[in-house]
Amino acid sequence: DTGVSQDPRHKITKRGQNVTFRCDPISEHNRLYWYRQTLGQGPEFLTYFQNEAQLEKSRLLSDRFSAERPKGSFSTLEIQRTEQGDSAMYLCASSGEGSNQPQHFGDGTRLSIL
Amino acid sequence: AQSVTQLGSHVSVSEGALVLLRCNYSSSVPPYLFWYVQYPNQGLQLLLKYTSAATLVKGINGFEAEFKKSETSFHLTKPSAHMRDAAEYFCAVSDRFGNEKLTFGTGTRLTIIP
Repeated sequence: DTGVSQDPRHKITKRGQNVTFRCDPISEHNRLYWYRQTLGQGPEFLTYFQNEAQLEKSRLLSDRFSAERPKGSFSTLEIQRTEQGDSAMYLCASSGEGSNQPQHFGDGTRLSIL
Repeated sequence: AQSVTQLGSHVSVSEGALVLLRCNYSSSVPPYLFWYVQYPNQGLQLLLKYTSAATLVKGINGFEAEFKKSETSFHLTKPSAHMRDAAEYFCAVSDRFGNEKLTFGTGTRLTIIP
């Protein structure tokens, strides 16, 4: 069990640029989640996958955001035309199947918009 | 809709003293409840979870929490605080009927006084 891995750890970009983050879940986990955490707040749910299927998207996930998990393993989260308000920590988590399975989190990608 | 409320955004205790972090939940269905800890610039680490077995749940690092349905509470305690317990603590809720996303509280920052 190598844990959930996220890349990059930090991303600094100019407003208007596109960014993409990657998450590698724990290998035997078929569920993968994305959350966003702003300073001083708890994480907020963005979206989740079971295998390659995206089963739920939060209203926080505007049209500029897209997430994929093409082969049911790693996932990417892309933000197009970044805005100042996108500055946050983006957290990925994975879990096994079953509603009582805990989610295991990666260390996150911190996005800073200049 | 589910929610959790963490009373006290900052808690300070002396080393060796009792730690009590409060969490109250609101859920229309029987909930699953979790406590996570977050150290600076890191992701969230699961401390413990309640999934309808024993109402007193023991977790890692000497922490425990008690589910009280009558009070809709799930407070986190530790008998004797250590300096290494200084961190941000988050309570989270999910339901057991297929909606596995976590809804987090706003967090409590725990400071340990030497």
